[in-house]
Amino acid sequence: DIQMTQSPSSLSASIGERVTITCRASHGISSWLAWYQWKPGKPPKLLIYKSSILESGVPSRFSGSGSGTEFTLTIDNLQPDDLATYFCHQYNDYWTFGQGTKVELK
Amino acid sequence: VQLQESGPGLVKPSETLSLTCTVSGGSLNDYYWSWLRQPPGQGLEWIGHIFSTGNTKYNPSLKDRVTISLDTSGNQISLKLTSVTAADTAIYSCARHPTLRTIDSWGQGTLVTVSS
Repeated sequence: DIQMTQSPSSLSASIGERVTITCRASHGISSWLAWYQWKPGKPPKLLIYKSSILESGVPSRFSGSGSGTEFTLTIDNLQPDDLATYFCHQYNDYWTFGQGTKVELK
Repeated sequence: VQLQESGPGLVKPSETLSLTCTVSGGSLNDYYWSWLRQPPGQGLEWIGHIFSTGNTKYNPSLKDRVTISLDTSGNQISLKLTSVTAADTAIYSCARHPTLRTIDSWGQGTLVTVSS
């Protein structure tokens, strides 16, 4: 099965900063990767699919890139509403997920 | 659409874990329905899915112990996991997805603890 290694597991950033989260797949998954945002007490929210396509309604400060085995989620100009856990999800072969990255305020 | 998981919060080792996901505000038709779980301190694990026609697909690591089924009259999706151990302790969630790609609706999840 395909393992997803996500880093970092947590990070602290200031409002207005750029944040970068990485997922690495153990085997190539083309661009079949999504990113979700997860806040306590709420279901995960889809942000990006097919590596770089922004889900409707998601602010443009979120962006995704990558293909094959290396993928990145970038949040430009971090906002208070962005404090959450983010995880990646590969759907190339069965489904597997990253361990999550908790974004906190510095 | 809303999804709500229900079932026992405590299951004894070697017994069968049984959960139900009740769907309200929508039909089961033409969607995939997945079960996922998150053990304490770990990432999400996909357990398996079922399409509205009844076709299923399971995580290879769990397939010998898992059954997912539909109850269309009750608008419910069921999960059975046999021969549980402490390693099966997790928050179990159901989810809906229109394709085999991304999820568009999630349940809130229910904690199941395996302990004697």
